[in-house]
Amino acid sequence: QVQLQESGPGLVKPSQTLSLTCTVSGGAISGGDYYWSWIRQHPGKGLEWIGYIYYSGKTYYNPSHKSRVSISVDTSKNQFSLKLRSVTAADTAVYFCARSPNTPMGPLDFDSWGQGTLVTVSS
Amino acid sequence: SYELTQPPSVSVSPGQTATITCSGDKMGDKYVSWYNQKPGQSPVLVVYQDTKRPSGIPERISGSNSGTTATLTISGTQAMDEADYYCQAWDSTTVIFGGGTKLTVL
Repeated sequence: QVQLQESGPGLVKPSQTLSLTCTVSGGAISGGDYYWSWIRQHPGKGLEWIGYIYYSGKTYYNPSHKSRVSISVDTSKNQFSLKLRSVTAADTAVYFCARSPNTPMGPLDFDSWGQGTLVTVSS
Repeated sequence: SYELTQPPSVSVSPGQTATITCSGDKMGDKYVSWYNQKPGQSPVLVVYQDTKRPSGIPERISGSNSGTTATLTISGTQAMDEADYYCQAWDSTTVIFGGGTKLTVL
């Protein structure tokens, strides 16, 4: 049973960089069977996909965030990470990491999620 | 950009059938997934590739997708089904979520 666990600072100052890491246990990121995503949820609001990465390092980003986001993977640690630059209060949200099965049609859905971590942007 | 539209809320009596819709341009040409999310918890996949159920999801939860609308149907709705439900599709390497529907079991 795969488990995903987000970690990182819960408080970030405006204009700084938000950095989060997702540690995967119970399955290898390098297996190639999955894509690995970051998704966020503003307080009381819906879900917003940020981007995903394949074990090879190939990334896809939400066009809305592409200029500020980078996602990286460390297969030796079985982790992938999110960096979101120049944050504002609008980036305050619960951040989830999630797994997408790699199907012939693409990474269509998210079958496993981390518990989420609240990141607040405030001075 | 592609958008998915869901009703903000749906109410249903226990034992009745709840229907939640998700509309988008040429929806039937895309694969749709559905998630439920209870307060303070992570989303849970309940339907994927339009009609398939992950292991552990009861048969009374089903999905369909045709034309411009995907539909999640919950038969014999129980109090435990009360949650927020989100549809999701994949469009040209981009993931889109619907705005979510709050299902209330009265």
